[in-house]
Amino acid sequence: EVQLLESGGGLVQPGGSLRLSCTASGLTFSSYAMAWVRQAPGKGLEWVSAISGSGGDTYYADSVIGRFTISRDNPKNTMNLQMNSLRTEDTAVYYCAKDRWLGSTTWEFDSWGQGTLVTVSS
Amino acid sequence: EIVLTQSPVTLSLSPGERATLSCRASQSISHYLAWYQQKPGQAPRLLIYFASNRATGIPARFSGSGSGTDFTLTISSLEPEDFAVYYCQQRSNWPLTFGGGTKVEI
Repeated sequence: EVQLLESGGGLVQPGGSLRLSCTASGLTFSSYAMAWVRQAPGKGLEWVSAISGSGGDTYYADSVIGRFTISRDNPKNTMNLQMNSLRTEDTAVYYCAKDRWLGSTTWEFDSWGQGTLVTVSS
Repeated sequence: EIVLTQSPVTLSLSPGERATLSCRASQSISHYLAWYQQKPGQAPRLLIYFASNRATGIPARFSGSGSGTDFTLTISSLEPEDFAVYYCQQRSNWPLTFGGGTKVEI
C-alpha cells in the first residue's frame, strides 16, 4: 500500500521560510512523478509544483516561481518543497501527491498524503 | 492558463438520485481531464482519469464523459458516502489547473 506522509508545516511570519517534506513508502519512489497541491482554508485545490521521477524536470505555478523550489531524494524516498519569501496568501494545507503512472507521467494523482498546514501570519 | 469552470457550485440531491456535474475548459484540452472527490478533513481521491476511465477501486456508479472543452461526471445513484466536493483537473497544458469544485449535498 502506498503511503505518503508530509511534514514540516507550521506557523511562520511573512517573509520567512519553511521546508516541507513528503516521505513515501510502498512504492518504487523513483519511478513516479510527484507534485505538491495546496488548499487554502475553505477554498479549492491549487497545484503548486511538480517534479519528474528522476528529478530532472520541475514545474511551478506562476504564484510561487522564484520563491519555492521542489526537489527529491530518491534513495531516501523523499520529496521536498523549500518555501522562501512566504506570503499570507501561501497559508494552506499542502498535500503531496503521486502520479498514477509507473515510469512515465500523466500528471493525474492517485495517492495523496494527509496534508500539512502552513500558516503565514505575523 | 486554462481555466476550468465547474457547475453547479452546489447540487442538492437525495440518496438514490442521479448526479450530473459539469466542467468546462476555457480552451480545448482533448481528453486530459481528471475528477477527484474530497470529503471534509480528507485528502482528494482520484475518481476518473483521461476523461472517462475509472481509477482503481472506484465503483461503477461513477462515470466520466466528454472531450475538448465540455466534460461531465455522472453518479448514477447517489450513496450516502458520495456527498462530498468534486473537482476537475486538466493536465493538457502547464500550469496544471483545478476547477473551483461542486459540492454535492443532501
